[in-house]
Amino acid sequence: QVQLQESGPGLVKPSQTLSLTCTVSGGSISSGGYYWSWIRQHPGKGLEWIGYIYYSGSTYYNPSLKSRVTISVDTSKNQFSLKLSSVTAADTAVYYCARGWGSTLSLAFDIWGQGTMVTVSS
Amino acid sequence: SYVLTQPPSVSVAPGQTARITCGGNNIGSKSVHWYQQKPGQAPVLVVYDDSDRPSGIPERFSGSNSGNTATLTISRVEAGDEADYYCQVWDSSSDHQVFGTGTKVTVL
Repeated sequence: QVQLQESGPGLVKPSQTLSLTCTVSGGSISSGGYYWSWIRQHPGKGLEWIGYIYYSGSTYYNPSLKSRVTISVDTSKNQFSLKLSSVTAADTAVYYCARGWGSTLSLAFDIWGQGTMVTVSS
Repeated sequence: SYVLTQPPSVSVAPGQTARITCGGNNIGSKSVHWYQQKPGQAPVLVVYDDSDRPSGIPERFSGSNSGNTATLTISRVEAGDEADYYCQVWDSSSDHQVFGTGTKVTVL
């Protein structure tokens, strides 16, 4: 079955760029029908959608983060990535990658990675 | 932006029924998805499109959605159902996925 795994630095300095990669196994990211997503959770808080990408490259971002977020896809490696620029302590969170599906953009996130904790600190 | 409001906590005795609400403006016109998250784990989809269950999710989990309130119902609650639960919708006006504030379910 499809599995997702996040990877990347667990510590990022303020003002730098947070970079994470999600590797998809057990299925092709190019198969279509799915939106490959990033979602984060601040410590002790709720879930916040960051954005997602379709295999074709179309992207959708949370308006509150849009100016700092870039999500890209590498179909040859079956991976998609998150870049969040100009980070501050407020970006400290567990970052999840997830697969979204649905007949419209009313997507349900049916498969999640285990999550990776990213701390922003000097 | 669209806001989804959930009660911070719900307590229920084993074997009883837990009802978790998710309030939003005219949420009945949207498809609501529900997630269960246990401590230290990633969320798990338990109900999608208001009332459908993914394979492997017990029939004890059910959902409904009408007017300004969607509800996740857990019947015959078990100790293993103790977790945080989140609702989620797509806000078409801003092309934005929105999560509810979350509800902690405690099994007494």
